[in-house]
Amino acid sequence: DGGITQSPKYLFRKEGQNVTLSCEQNLNHDAMYWYRQDPGQGLRLIYYSQIVNDFQKGDIAEGYSVSREKKESFPLTVTSAQKNPTAFYLCASSILGTDTQYFGPGTRLTVL
Amino acid sequence: AQSVTQLGSHVSVSEGALVLLRCNYSSSVPPYLFWYVQYPNQGLQLLLKYTSAATLVKGINGFEAEFKKSETSFHLTKPSAHMSDAAEYFCAVSDQGFGNEKLTFGTGTRLTIIP
Repeated sequence: DGGITQSPKYLFRKEGQNVTLSCEQNLNHDAMYWYRQDPGQGLRLIYYSQIVNDFQKGDIAEGYSVSREKKESFPLTVTSAQKNPTAFYLCASSILGTDTQYFGPGTRLTVL
Repeated sequence: AQSVTQLGSHVSVSEGALVLLRCNYSSSVPPYLFWYVQYPNQGLQLLLKYTSAATLVKGINGFEAEFKKSETSFHLTKPSAHMSDAAEYFCAVSDQGFGNEKLTFGTGTRLTIIP
């Protein structure tokens, strides 16, 4: 089955620790995205990438980092510099040149 | 920059009643518009999208939306609500054009179905 997988589904970390969220897709999509979702705020774009080894900051990139070493993978690291990291994180992908994004199931991160 | 406004963060309708979820957009160029649905603790699923081919767009699960340029609106409707429609719905907009695939999302509308 083609799709986007995110792991783990739930993640708990202590304050001050970096944590990496996984996103993998087998749809052969060029573009990948990371969003953060907080109650009542909709989805906000963190980072996106249109090709391997290249990525751009979204609206709320501070305290986050990404890499795009392979077309299929776009991991997100939540660093200790992110002041309020507890949230639901969604990864998405799309075919370059189209606007339709397809979403993974999400990772809920709780920082204790 | 483009934006969307979803009027009503919570909407409740009776089972079998009309569902109407409102979305107004702002865009400097002809937009592409989307409706997504999210069930609890899941990702977003595309319901339908408008890409200038036809102003009335039909989607999955019996939903449809009409693009009205004069009102800058793209409201989502379903004639008869079902219990399984209970979810959160997001409207999104993107600027047309190759290489610009960023979506801007509204803040969402949570739909509750009353038995």
